[in-house]
Amino acid sequence: EAQVTQNPRYLITVTGKKLTVTCSQNMNHEYMSWYRQDPGLGLRQIYYSMNVEVTDKGDVPEGYKVSRKEKRNFPLILESPSPNQTSLYFCASSFQTGTSHEQYFGPGTRLTVT
Amino acid sequence: QQQVKQSPQSLIVQKGGISIINCAYENTAFDYFPWYQQFPGKGPALLIAIRPDVSEKKEGRFTISFNKSAKQFSLHIMDSQPGDSATYFCAASGPGNNFNKFYFGSGTKLNVKP
Repeated sequence: EAQVTQNPRYLITVTGKKLTVTCSQNMNHEYMSWYRQDPGLGLRQIYYSMNVEVTDKGDVPEGYKVSRKEKRNFPLILESPSPNQTSLYFCASSFQTGTSHEQYFGPGTRLTVT
Repeated sequence: QQQVKQSPQSLIVQKGGISIINCAYENTAFDYFPWYQQFPGKGPALLIAIRPDVSEKKEGRFTISFNKSAKQFSLHIMDSQPGDSATYFCAASGPGNNFNKFYFGSGTKLNVKP
């Protein structure tokens, strides 16, 4: 089954404790992204990747790191989480055709930083 | 500055009615405008998308209307059904190498009453 998986699905942590949220896709997509979703703000792109070893900042990259060492994986790293990073996080992978650029989203990771 | 503005925040429609959600964008260089549908506890899923070289695109009961001069686009759901109750997000991306850089609206929660 074609899918994007994220782990963990739920995470409660404390301020300053480094954490990693994993993302993996089995569709051989070149493009991957991370988003955060907050009430009233919609989805905001954190980082995106065009291919292995190629990443770029989205709209809200501060406080986050990413890496793309393999095509299928795109982990999101919070080196020193703060309470304002409490949010619902989505990973997405995508491909582009001539007229479409469909993103497939994972199930989400709900992060709480106390 | 918010790149994509979406309204209304919430919408209640009777079964069989027409649901209309509007979005306005700032950057005239955007060249891809998707709509995503999100059910509670799930990641967003692509519903329909349009490029600025056409003014309308229809897929089943869902239609995008695009007004390039006004920098606006809207989603129309004809014959709305209770199963359409979800949160809808508009988005924009592009151009060129920025095709994977997405800006989302704040979302519209649609409730279709039986």
